Amino acid sequence: EAQVTQNPRYLITVTGKKLTVTCSQNMNHEYMSWYRQDPGLGLRQIYYSMNVEVTDKGDVPEGYKVSRKEKRNFPLILESPSPNQTSLYFCASSFWTSGYNEQFFGPGTRLTVL
Amino acid sequence: DQQVKQNSPSLSVQEGRISILNCDYTNSMFDYFLWYKKYPAEGPTFLISISSIKDKNEDGRFTVFLNKSAKHLSLHIVPSQPGDSAVYFCAAYPSGTYKYIFGTGTRLKVLA
Repeated sequence: EAQVTQNPRYLITVTGKKLTVTCSQNMNHEYMSWYRQDPGLGLRQIYYSMNVEVTDKGDVPEGYKVSRKEKRNFPLILESPSPNQTSLYFCASSFWTSGYNEQFFGPGTRLTVL
Repeated sequence: DQQVKQNSPSLSVQEGRISILNCDYTNSMFDYFLWYKKYPAEGPTFLISISSIKDKNEDGRFTVFLNKSAKHLSLHIVPSQPGDSAVYFCAAYPSGTYKYIFGTGTRLKVLA
């Protein structure tokens, strides 16, 4: 089954404790991206990757890191989480063509930073 | 700076009637527009798209209209069904870039 998986689905942590949210896709997509969803702000792009070893900042990259060492995986790293990073996070992937690009989303990770 | 705006946070419609969800944008470089639907506890799923060279695209009960001069996009659902109750996001990106911009979302409730 074609899918994007994220782990963990729920996480409660404390300020400053490093964490990683994993994302994996089995569709051989070049493009992967991370978003956060907050009330009243919609989905905001954190980082995206056009292919292995190629990443770039989205609209809200502060406080986050990513890496793309393999095509299927795109982990999101919070080196020193803070309460303002409490949010619902989504990973997505797609092919990237010259036309429209439909993204496939994972089920989400709800993060709470105390 | 919100480049893609959905000014109605919520909308209620009677089953069988038309639902119209609106989206405004400011960036004239956007070439492609997409609508996504999101149910609680799930990730968004793609619904329908339109390129800037068109003004209408239809897929079953869903039609997207694009008015480039007004920088306005709308999604029509006819007839609306209770299963359409979800949050709808419009999204856009300019060709040649990889940045995807989403709107703030509209929560649609279809009343049986």
